[in-house]
Amino acid sequence: DAGVTQSPTHLIKTRGQQVTLRCSPKSGHDTVSWYQQALGQGPQFIFQYYEEEERQRGNFPDRFSGHQFPNYSSELNVNALLLGDSALYLCASSSSWAYEQYFGPGTRLTVT
Amino acid sequence: QKEVEQNSGPLSVPEGAIASLNCTYSDRGSQSFFWYRQYSGKSPELIMFIYSNGDKEDGRFTAQLNKASQYVSLLIRDSQPSDSATYLCAVRGPNDYKLSFGAGTTVTVRA
Repeated sequence: DAGVTQSPTHLIKTRGQQVTLRCSPKSGHDTVSWYQQALGQGPQFIFQYYEEEERQRGNFPDRFSGHQFPNYSSELNVNALLLGDSALYLCASSSSWAYEQYFGPGTRLTVT
Repeated sequence: QKEVEQNSGPLSVPEGAIASLNCTYSDRGSQSFFWYRQYSGKSPELIMFIYSNGDKEDGRFTAQLNKASQYVSLLIRDSQPSDSATYLCAVRGPNDYKLSFGAGTTVTVRA
């Protein structure tokens, strides 16, 4: 039973560029949440997707956008990258009928 | 006031001892509480969740919830060096789908 998968593992981008991160949820899960974790901090909620719609959004600018596909996988897009966007980006999957969220291995984004 | 607060630590305990981690939250209506373990350079791993007042035990881990005091704790019994990690407390608010996390408590188990 595959767990949550994310790609790529690491990414280095230049300020001003755009990036797309990908996530496949755990088998049987239909909900995907994205979090940003800066060094030494807890994860911060970006948004959650369910039924291909953004269901809730955290305090992140519009430069952060996402999408969910019919197979429940999801993408996180970040435009106009800033140095401060350097962080570990975590995808968490869950079932619509349960509260527990399970994280993928994360994508480490470095913006130079 | 932060939504979820944890003692930052580090918490150092000898092998075989009990590690006690604390977490307080600000929204009295919160319903669901989670503990994640995060090893250095890795992603968080869900180790416990609790929804009702009282204790919940799973192996060497016990989660304790007191909604009146807005307090949730995690006890790690018979601590092992492999328990050395950062432990994150997460709370789901009453009208939220998101989890709000504390900054984490770093635990070091000395052999």
